[in-house]
Amino acid sequence: GENVEQHPSTLSVQEGDSAVIKCTYSDSASNYFPWYKQELGKRPQLIIDIRSNVGEKKDQRIAVTLNKTAKHFSLHITETQPEDSAVYFCAASEGLTGGGNKLTFGTGTQLKVEL
Amino acid sequence: DAGVTQSPTHLIKTRGQQVTLRCSPKSGHDTVSWYQQALGQGPQFIFQYYEEEERQRGNFPDRFSGHQFPNYSSELNVNALLLGDSALYLCASSFRASNQPQHFGDGTRLSIL
Repeated sequence: GENVEQHPSTLSVQEGDSAVIKCTYSDSASNYFPWYKQELGKRPQLIIDIRSNVGEKKDQRIAVTLNKTAKHFSLHITETQPEDSAVYFCAASEGLTGGGNKLTFGTGTQLKVEL
Repeated sequence: DAGVTQSPTHLIKTRGQQVTLRCSPKSGHDTVSWYQQALGQGPQFIFQYYEEEERQRGNFPDRFSGHQFPNYSSELNVNALLLGDSALYLCASSFRASNQPQHFGDGTRLSIL
């Protein structure tokens, strides 16, 4: 089955700096890669996603890149703010309805944005 | 527009007991997936229900079972509870025919004593 590895497990940055979180996946059939933000005691919330026919996607301060050949994808957050502090999870799934299929999650990255 | 709702929010059980968790999907969604999130870990897929049938299953024992009702709501049942079953149980819903992502509920925090 699919295996998703995520690094680093913790990341501390200064406010205004950029943060990068990296994930690798094992199943070449995976074609949908979402990123979720989870604040303490709250539900995972989708912040951005990318499908395998696209190499990069950007939404304001957040961007995701995908390298299908190397089977890795990354989350980039620019101009970080204290409210970006949370746990971030990458995930992968396959199938025509990739958004609704089984998601395999990484182990999470605790991002701390310091003033 | 109500999102995904789960009940109860918290639950305390003892080893060997049985538990039922409930989930109502977001309006317009017909597919429900269940995930187990242990403390400090990423969510792990348990199973998915669509048209009242289990469609996909993760690596969980038969003690974990589920059901989907005609109104698309779902239940997760866990028998013979173990200490290791202590976790946050998340429900996610989606519309199968679309390419849209899953929406998660707030989860049920299950503690086993």
